[in-house]
Amino acid sequence: QVRLQQSGPGLVKPSQTLSLTCDISGDSVSSKIAAWTWIRQSPSRGLEWLGRTYYRSKWYYDYAESVGSRVSINADTSKNQFYLELRSVRPEDTAVYYCARDDYASGNYFAQTDFWGQGTLVTVSS
Amino acid sequence: DIVMTQTPLALSVTPGQPASISCKSSQSLRHTDGRTYLYWYLQRPGQSPQLLIYEVSNRFPGVPERFSGSGSGAYFTLRITRVEPEDAGLYYCMQTIHRPRTFGQGTRLEIK
Repeated sequence: QVRLQQSGPGLVKPSQTLSLTCDISGDSVSSKIAAWTWIRQSPSRGLEWLGRTYYRSKWYYDYAESVGSRVSINADTSKNQFYLELRSVRPEDTAVYYCARDDYASGNYFAQTDFWGQGTLVTVSS
Repeated sequence: DIVMTQTPLALSVTPGQPASISCKSSQSLRHTDGRTYLYWYLQRPGQSPQLLIYEVSNRFPGVPERFSGSGSGAYFTLRITRVEPEDAGLYYCMQTIHRPRTFGQGTRLEIK
């Protein structure tokens, strides 16, 4: 069973960087049949995909245009973790942030997001 | 971005009665590989979304048989044959064939 455990601060000041960690158990961050995704949820925007990283002989990164150049998602194979950084945050970035796994084990060409972390409420406020 | 429209936005159901939720996509979700990339999730209060149905009609392991999915192209339905109290929460559809993946706005199921 895959488990994703999130950690990180719940309060970030405007213009600063939001940083969250997702610790993986039951799978490998360098799996060639998975991708590692961040999604957020807010009352105003609903569920919004932010981006993902995955390993296929090298690391790939795929980010949503809605957060554009402000977002980075990286992985640490030695810790079996992946990370979200969202820079220059503003109050509208206040949301519950989730890490999740995209599974490709059944030969699916597009993502099947199956397991989610517990969620972290991040409030952007001074 | 692809717009996913769910109806109704809320429903109230007596335990043991059926429930049905629709999801309409602004474009077809069927790929040339023959698969249709439409998913259903349940988010119970205070919890993360959990996968119920993948690729329109396949139950994720551990999901009770009372949940079923159907549809094709751009029109999809999630059905619960006999609602139980633990089925309360928000139901979302999601597509992943068009980038970025997008979600429906959610349907709140209340148990009477």
